[in-house]
Amino acid sequence: NAGVTQTPKFRVLKTGQSMTLLCAQDMNHEYMYWYRQDPGMGLRLIHYSVGEGTTAKGEVPDGYNVSRLKKQNFLLGLESAAPSQTSVYFCASSLPPGRGNNQPQHFGDGTRLSIL
Amino acid sequence: AQRVTQPEKLLSVFKGAPVELKCNYSYSGSPELFWYVQYSRQRLQLLLRHISRESIKGFTADLNKGETSFHLKKPFAQEEDSAMYYCALIQSWAGNMLTFGGGTRLMVKP
Repeated sequence: NAGVTQTPKFRVLKTGQSMTLLCAQDMNHEYMYWYRQDPGMGLRLIHYSVGEGTTAKGEVPDGYNVSRLKKQNFLLGLESAAPSQTSVYFCASSLPPGRGNNQPQHFGDGTRLSIL
Repeated sequence: AQRVTQPEKLLSVFKGAPVELKCNYSYSGSPELFWYVQYSRQRLQLLLRHISRESIKGFTADLNKGETSFHLKKPFAQEEDSAMYYCALIQSWAGNMLTFGGGTRLMVKP
């Protein structure tokens, strides 16, 4: 049982290049999230999804797009990478809240992305 | 707007000393708060949540609505507690999204 798996683990891009980060979870979770982690700023939510075929903007969505074509996968795309997008990206998933009880998020190992 | 503040970026203590990692929040509704921990080269993982009122690895945290705080405490720090700690607030109305504090790095010296 792998939990949340992110690929790739590391990547270096040149400014203007595009790429897609893949997040896969095997826990049958409805909710999935993409965060970026920057020093001193904690994790900030980029986009999230509450179910297959649905996505929503988080705190810092500009410059990113996402897709949730399958329940187990949540893709994060950078159409034209910029140096400001150099960061560590974390994917997470969770069950939906039940009976007023919010479910904790389970995180992947992260993807370290550098934009030159 | 909701906000989570962790005023200390680094907290250094000796083994056996008490530890308190501070977390303050601002939120208009009824808050639900978590502490997440990230050990070196490991993924972020849930440490504890306030509604469970539990103690995990000797850590406890009490929600104080009057002071809008959710400080993490441990009476006797261990070297293996050295890690990055994040306080987070959940927003149930927005896909359960988490708002994180900036994190506190705890270093426990031998």
